[in-house]
Amino acid sequence: GAVVSQHPSWVICKSGTSVKIECRSLDFQATTMFWYRQFPKQSLMLMATSNEGSKATYEQGVEKDKFLINHASLTLSTLTVTSAHPEDSSFYICSPQGQNTEAFFGQGTRLTVV
Amino acid sequence: DAKTTQPTSMDCAEGRAANLPCNHSTISGNEYVYWYRQIHSQGPQYIIHGLKNNETNEMASLIITEDRKSSTLILPHATLRDTAVYYCIVRPGVHYGQNFVFGPGTRLSVLP
Repeated sequence: GAVVSQHPSWVICKSGTSVKIECRSLDFQATTMFWYRQFPKQSLMLMATSNEGSKATYEQGVEKDKFLINHASLTLSTLTVTSAHPEDSSFYICSPQGQNTEAFFGQGTRLTVV
Repeated sequence: DAKTTQPTSMDCAEGRAANLPCNHSTISGNEYVYWYRQIHSQGPQYIIHGLKNNETNEMASLIITEDRKSSTLILPHATLRDTAVYYCIVRPGVHYGQNFVFGPGTRLSVLP
């Protein structure tokens, strides 16, 4: 399968600070990037979808000004959690997809806001 | 909403075959059946997918009923490392911009 690199794998930050999560597709060009989050004992929920060079589309209930997504290149996308609060603590997973290819998944980032 | 239903949990003895069922009675003609698994604190891992024929790879076999309304994932010789949550997902195959919709999945526990 394709190689996806997501990091950091875990991060602890103070309430009110911002955290950036990176997702790289190492051996294919990701024309679309999906970002999911997963709360404890729950399944993955889609947060947003971004196409390279375009603004992201956010799912209902996900604040676009809080979760900033940058997808400026075909191999890198970032998710920045701004002004993080304890309720943002979750497991964030990226899923890059190339044109006419399947979607793959990153290893996930465990965010803990204290 | 997820278009599949799976048992919440299953146990399997180490070394035995694990058979994980999935119902997808509303599957459309262009939708594939995908199986992923998620080991604790990791991203989902692709296992196998199929349209209507049975499929086999180095990890598992996928048996799809003739009417395509249900399927079974078979792990032929389960090991402790196969303990994970298994997700059965239906969606169009290669489709630009299509995300996966995850249901709660089946929590498989492989017991020594």
